[in-house]
This record gives sequence, C-alpha cells and structure tokens, in this order.
Amino acid sequence: DVKVTQSSRYLVKRTGEKVFLECVQDMDHENMFWYRQDPGLGLRLIYFSYDVKMKEKGDIPEGYSVSREKKERFSLILESASTNQTSMYLCASSPTKGRGNTIYFGEGSWLTVV
Amino acid sequence: QKEVEQNSGPLSVPEGAIASLNCTYSDRGSQSFFWYRQYSGKSPELIMFIYSNGDKEDGRFTAQLNKASQYVSLLIRDSQPSDSATYLCAVNGQGDSWGKLQFGAGTQVVVTP
Repeated sequence: DVKVTQSSRYLVKRTGEKVFLECVQDMDHENMFWYRQDPGLGLRLIYFSYDVKMKEKGDIPEGYSVSREKKERFSLILESASTNQTSMYLCASSPTKGRGNTIYFGEGSWLTVV
Repeated sequence: QKEVEQNSGPLSVPEGAIASLNCTYSDRGSQSFFWYRQYSGKSPELIMFIYSNGDKEDGRFTAQLNKASQYVSLLIRDSQPSDSATYLCAVNGQGDSWGKLQFGAGTQVVVTP
C-alpha cells in the first residue's frame, strides 16, 4: 500500500514563528503536493512538485514555500506564521503520467496559529 | 465560476436506499475523474476513478461520466451508516495543469438508520 506520512499531526504555533511541515512517501512517486483544507472552501493546492528540486505554485502559494531535496520528501514552510494559516494541511503524492493517476493523501497536519 | 462544483448537502439518505451525488466541471478537456470519501477529521481516501464515458461499478459504488455534459456522478447503493461522510469529486487537469487535481468542496452524506 502507498504510505504518505506527515510527521506532525497537531501543532500550535505563535504568530511570526517559522513552521516546517514534513512529508515522506514510500512509493517512489514523482509528484508530491501540499493542500490545505478549510470548511466550505474544500481542498486548495498550495504547491506541487513533479521532481526533485522542482516546484510549481498552486492556487494559494502566498505565505508558503516548499523544499524537495529528495524524491521521497516534500516540506512545506511557513516563513512567518499568521492566524489565517490555521488550517488542516494535507500532503499527497502520485505517480507520473497515467490516466488513473490517483493522488494518495497523508493523514493531515492540524496547525493552529495563535 | 468554480472549476469543480458539488452540492454541499447535507444529503440525507435512509439506510438501504441509493445515494446519488453529482459533480460538474468546467474544463472540457479533463480526462480523469475521481471520487474520494472523507470522514470527519480524516484525510480523503480514494473510492474510484473513471475516465471513459458511461458507468463504472465497484461493489456498492457506481461512477457515471458524461463528458459531453461535463458531469460525473456517484451512486451508493444499499447505503449504510458507515457511508456517512463527505464525498469529494476531483478532476485531473490537462496540459500545464496535468497531475494537479481540482477538487470540489464536497457533498456531505448522512445515512439515517
């Protein structure tokens, strides 16, 4: 089975702190994603990476950055956390091209910024 | 206009009945379509995907795709209380958007005993 692991499940951070969310996948997938999910807004793509050291902005990249130094690991960085970044963050991975190119999600990281 | 639209619900379904969920999308060139189930406080899990017009069945679930009308639906037969969840429709983009699923906001389903 595909396993996407988010190391931090629940975090409480102060406004202005730098926050790192780590994600590791064990299926040698090319693509990795960071989404955030908020009530009524659904899943919104923050950043997407299709290869090591490659990244693309998603729909809401402002206030975030990412790092992908190894194929299996994709990190989301909040340079200076703000209260409007309180949310559930979902990491996901998928193999490269294919019609049934399913995205597999990690268990989520609940971030509260106070 | 949102790229993927779903009714937010809640959709109340008696136990044993058929739940019917609909999803419309705006990108006519979309190729792959996915249904995810998400329990409260949990991450989405894949139910099934479809990419050809028509029906695709998997156990109690049937996905239906109509590309001409740009909609995809999910039927849940013999609904059980354990089917109570939010169901997310997702559409795979094309070209530069390939690989980046666009999600609807989800339909909440409540199965009542």
